[in-house]
Amino acid sequence: NAGVTQTPKFQVLKTGQSMTLQCAQDMNHNSMYWYRQDPGMGLRLIYYSASEGTTDKGEVPNGYNVSRLNKREFSLRLESAAPSQTSVYFCASGPRAGNTEAFFGQGTRLTVV
Amino acid sequence: AQSVTQLGSHVSVSEGALVLLRCNYSSSVPPYLFWYVQYPNQGLQLLLKYTSAATLVKGINGFEAEFKKSETSFHLTKPSAHMSDAAEYFCAVRGDNNNDMRFGAGTRLTVKP
Repeated sequence: NAGVTQTPKFQVLKTGQSMTLQCAQDMNHNSMYWYRQDPGMGLRLIYYSASEGTTDKGEVPNGYNVSRLNKREFSLRLESAAPSQTSVYFCASGPRAGNTEAFFGQGTRLTVV
Repeated sequence: AQSVTQLGSHVSVSEGALVLLRCNYSSSVPPYLFWYVQYPNQGLQLLLKYTSAATLVKGINGFEAEFKKSETSFHLTKPSAHMSDAAEYFCAVRGDNNNDMRFGAGTRLTVKP
């Protein structure tokens, strides 16, 4: 069972470079999420997608864009990376809202220099 | 919007001692609450969830949590700590009509021999 797969696992970018973080799930979930994790701040929601074709901003969307390519895939793009975007990024997926939990990928550790 | 607050960024206990990790929620609707655990360099794993069926919820690895509406709390406990419990623990909340999931800042649990 692959679950939620994120690529790449590690990435170093120079300030101003762009990149896309990929996420795919094989659990037929409707909802998908992108979080960033920073020390002392827990996980903060960047964007989420309640269903294929829809996306919504979370707590910290500035500097990011997302695409829900299909039901399986939800990508996160940094158009012009900044050192403040150095973080660990987690993708998650889950069934419809309510009493259902989210399932997490293993994370992408991104460093912007 | 719903939110959770975790009291104490670090908790240290001796092996065999009681573990108590605190979480208070803020929600305008009856919440769905979750506890996750994160081991070093890994993603998040669900420990347990409250879905209104019972106020005392049992999870994996001997953990349990009690939902107290009067105190807006959902504290995580384990009667006897084990070295393998050392990890970071996150409380999360989702309201029924809101698809996103919000996390607390996390509590790092250290278990001393």
